Amino acid sequence: SQTIHQWPATLVQPVGSPLSLECTVEGTSNPNLYWYRQAAGRGLQLLFYSVGIGQISSEVPQNLSASRPQDRQFILSSKKLLLSDSGFYLCAWTQLGVAGELFFGEGSRLTVL
Amino acid sequence: GQQLNQSPQSMFIQEGEDVSMNCTSSSIFNTWLWYKQDPGEGPVLLIALYKAGELTSNGRLTAQFGITRKDSFLNISASIPSDVGIYFCAGAGGTSYGKLTFGQGTILTVHP
Repeated sequence: SQTIHQWPATLVQPVGSPLSLECTVEGTSNPNLYWYRQAAGRGLQLLFYSVGIGQISSEVPQNLSASRPQDRQFILSSKKLLLSDSGFYLCAWTQLGVAGELFFGEGSRLTVL
Repeated sequence: GQQLNQSPQSMFIQEGEDVSMNCTSSSIFNTWLWYKQDPGEGPVLLIALYKAGELTSNGRLTAQFGITRKDSFLNISASIPSDVGIYFCAGAGGTSYGKLTFGQGTILTVHP
């Protein structure tokens, strides 16, 4: 069966520090991968998606970047965090041909102080 | 861009009551999905709808894909305390698999 994991689960970082959130998917190949941000426990905003290794599409201009160094690995990064980067970050995957059925990781709570 | 209007924003109900929430859009979607999110966790898919007019059940949950393809509703019958959480509708259009547009969520509180 397919599983998705992301880490760390919680992170408290000072403004200006770097960030790296990692996500891996097991049990499938060539998934579409996504990073979402959720503010204040409400709506989900798509940040990045990837349809293959090294292929990254950004949905909104921001202080973050994403990379996909391996087929089932997706990384969210920042060189210098801002206060506004605080939030709940969710990695998700879907399989080509399965319209819209996203499967989410456990989430990473980032607090920037 | 596409937007989904989800209502109500929150609901406070007694255990055993039925719940209904809905989403509307100004755009047509090819797929409607309903997710539930427990506190501090990622959303979990409850029901996926692929055809206009489709009515699908999953236990005490029932969801319908509106005939106009611009709306969907989710009903929960005989609510129980573990139904507490945030419910999201989401729509997908065309070949943009996984690029979902999410509603703002309905926070459900169930009093025992």
